[in-house]
Amino acid sequence: DGGITQSPKYLFRKEGQNVTLSCEQNLNHDAMYWYRQDPGQGLRLIYYSQIVNDFQKGDIAEGYSVSREKKESFPLTVTSAQKNPTAFYLCASSMGDLYSNQPQHFGDGTRLSIL
Amino acid sequence: AQKVTQAQTEISVVEKEDVTLDCVYETRDTTYYLFWYKQPPSGELVFLIRRNSFDEQNEISGRYSWNFQKSTSSFNFTITASQVVDSAVYFCALSATDSWGKLQFGAGTQVVVTP
Repeated sequence: DGGITQSPKYLFRKEGQNVTLSCEQNLNHDAMYWYRQDPGQGLRLIYYSQIVNDFQKGDIAEGYSVSREKKESFPLTVTSAQKNPTAFYLCASSMGDLYSNQPQHFGDGTRLSIL
Repeated sequence: AQKVTQAQTEISVVEKEDVTLDCVYETRDTTYYLFWYKQPPSGELVFLIRRNSFDEQNEISGRYSWNFQKSTSSFNFTITASQVVDSAVYFCALSATDSWGKLQFGAGTQVVVTP
């Protein structure tokens, strides 16, 4: 089945540690996104990528990094510089470029907590 | 800058009742897209509808209907004859010219349907 796979489902981070969240899609979508969701709040955009080897900061990129070496993959690293990383992280993808405003398809999310 | 307001934090209904979720948006752009997503307890967001600013026709899809009113900058969502499976958080989102494809989400409305 086509879709977006995020792993792991739950992740725990120790102080000073970097952790990487995986996002893989087999929908052949060009654009991919990372969002952060805090309790009682909407989603906020961390990073997005329109094509391989290109990505842009979203509204809350500080303390995060990404890469886009393959069309199918868009991993997110939560660095030690992110002082409040506890949140639910959602990866999404969409067909075409940003200007087409195609609906975004989402993964099941990764819940990150501090140890 | 654009903004989406979902003033209702939580709505509780008994099965078979109708429920209307409000969404008010702000943008200076004349061209924009509005979206509704459903987030069930499993966590992933499910796309429900996309509407562009030039199409003010209301839409019905099964038990779901949407009322788009540009004059009041609102894009409300009604679930008719609610069912327990409708229990979820519902998000309204906006994409406008100055930030194409980057969704601005509202805070979401939790819908609880009890038998």
